[in-house]
Amino acid sequence: EDQVTQSPEALRLQEGESSSLNCSYTVSGLRGLFWYRQDPGKGPEFLFTLYSAGEEKEKERLKATLTKKESFLHITAPKPEDSATYLCASLQGAQKLVFGQGTRLTINP
Amino acid sequence: DVKVTQSSRYLVKRTGEKVFLECVQDMDHENMFWYRQDPGLGLRLIYFSYDVKMKEKGDIPEGYSVSREKKERFSLILESASTNQTSMYLCASSLMAYNEQFFGPGTRLTVL
Repeated sequence: EDQVTQSPEALRLQEGESSSLNCSYTVSGLRGLFWYRQDPGKGPEFLFTLYSAGEEKEKERLKATLTKKESFLHITAPKPEDSATYLCASLQGAQKLVFGQGTRLTINP
Repeated sequence: DVKVTQSSRYLVKRTGEKVFLECVQDMDHENMFWYRQDPGLGLRLIYFSYDVKMKEKGDIPEGYSVSREKKERFSLILESASTNQTSMYLCASSLMAYNEQFFGPGTRLTVL
């Protein structure tokens, strides 16, 4: 069965301390890899879509990269407002997104 | 910007009640989805629709049904609510099958 695994489950950083979140997938024939940000009690907010290995996308302090087996979300010099749960999802078949469990990121001032 | 709205942010119902959750999107998207999100289980797909009056089962359709009479509106129906359906329900829409999905704010449903 196709799976998406995110690590770590939780991550605490100091403000300005850069790090990376990992998303591993076992989908055969990946059709897209998506990153979302979710704040407590709210719906996920779309961040990035990656379609092919080697692709990279950036938005402010976030950069997403994709290989044939995993994706990374790099956070450079994070601020407290970057605290959230980050979800990745792989697109399977025609329309189905399979989500990972998420990484809960806390940035301390 | 795409806007997906859900009829209620919080809902409390009793066991056995029929529950309707409504979702509306304003960007003429073809595809609409219903998920539930539970701690430790993540987001799971209940049903999706790729066209008006069309529906497909997701991973956990048991105990739920859906209706899509108009392109912009997708309803999730709990025919007889049970306590194990207490959850956060999220609606999403996408333009095409391979595009990103945009989510609504969610409805936190409690079944007593």
